[in-house]
Order: sequence, then C-alpha cells, then structure tokens
Amino acid sequence: AQSVAQPEDQVNVAEGNPLTVKCTYSVSGNPYLFWYVQYPNRGLQFLLKYITGDNLVKGSYGFEAEFNKSQTSFHLKKPSALVSDSALYFCAVRDKAESSASKIIFGSGTRLSIRP
Amino acid sequence: KAGVTQTPRYLIKTRGQQVTLSCSPISGHRSVSWYQQTPGQGLQFLFEYFSETQRNKGNFPGRFSGRQFSNSRSEMNVSTLELGDSALYLCASSLRDSPLWGYTFGSGTRLTVV
Repeated sequence: AQSVAQPEDQVNVAEGNPLTVKCTYSVSGNPYLFWYVQYPNRGLQFLLKYITGDNLVKGSYGFEAEFNKSQTSFHLKKPSALVSDSALYFCAVRDKAESSASKIIFGSGTRLSIRP
Repeated sequence: KAGVTQTPRYLIKTRGQQVTLSCSPISGHRSVSWYQQTPGQGLQFLFEYFSETQRNKGNFPGRFSGRQFSNSRSEMNVSTLELGDSALYLCASSLRDSPLWGYTFGSGTRLTVV
C-alpha cells in the first residue's frame, strides 16, 4: 500500500530566506510524486511532479523538489521565500506498480507561514 | 479554457438528509476524482471515474456514492447525513486515467451538516 508523510504541521520562515517543506513516501514499486498548494477556501493547485528522470524537479512560482530514492523523500524547496507563499502545501504519491486507476494519496499537509 | 466547476460552493444540510454535489470537469477531461477534506483527516480519496466507470473507491461507507455521465460530468451523493460529513469536497479532473496527465482541482463544495 502507498502512503505519504509530511512530518511538520507548520513551517515558519522569514521572507527572503530559503524554505524546505518535507515529504517522505512509501510505495511498493516506483513512485509518481506531486506537490500541490492550497490557498484559503480554494481547491488545490498543482506545483510540480516527479515521474522519472532528473531527480531535481522545477515547478511553478520558483519552487523545486528533489527526489531521493534512498531516503524515500521528495522535499519541496525554494531559495527565497515570499510572503505570498504562505499557504497549505500537500505532498502526494501514486505507486506505478498499482493498477491503471489513478488514485493519488495525499499527505496531511504542511502550513507554510512566511513572515515579512 | 474553463476550469473544473463545482456546484454549489456552499451547502448547509440537516442530519439525516441527503445531498448531491456536482462537478463539471475541464472540457475533454474524462477522468474525475473526488476527495473529502477535513481538518482532522486531511484529504481522503472517495472515488474515481473514467468514461462513466468507477475505477477506484476509497474507504468510505456505502452512504457515499457517485456517478459519471457521458459528458464526463460527475455527481456524488451522500445519504443519511451525519455531523461528521461536514467537510470540503473537492473534485479533480484529468485528461486520462493516469497521473502523468496531472489533476486539476475545482474550488470545492463546503458542506456543513447541522
């Protein structure tokens, strides 16, 4: 069975500093990995995904994530945080070894707060 | 092009009633998935439809059901509502039944059961 963990409920960062939001996963085969962001009273917006290839994935709004197979991690990063990055971030995973149905499992979410 | 449209945006129901939520996917998208979001449980997968067929189902009681029409629009129904069903219900559409094509989410329907 697939699962994903976001160990931090909240991450606080000063504007201009680098940020990292952590994510670890568990799948039986190789993973598809995703990051989504949610602003208040809105649905989820896609940030980036890892399917295969280069371990460093670049996404929207200057975010990037690094796939680390040995540590089963897919941490989200940004070199310089903006106040507007404050939101709820979700990591998600799907096991390539599963059937063709595209069920994606989400982590519990990490609230990112950027202080001016 | 228009995004994923969920109606209604807000809904207040009484315990024991039933409710139907609607999701119109992006034009051309044939896969629709539903998720329930609550502060305590996070995002939980309800079901996924592709070309009018339910492809996958989460661990929810039989009170939760759904369907997809030939135009890919989807509805989910919850019968005999309980207070714990209060949540934000999110619909996501995809071009095909593969995460390679990515999910696009609607803004959700916030259901409050009183």
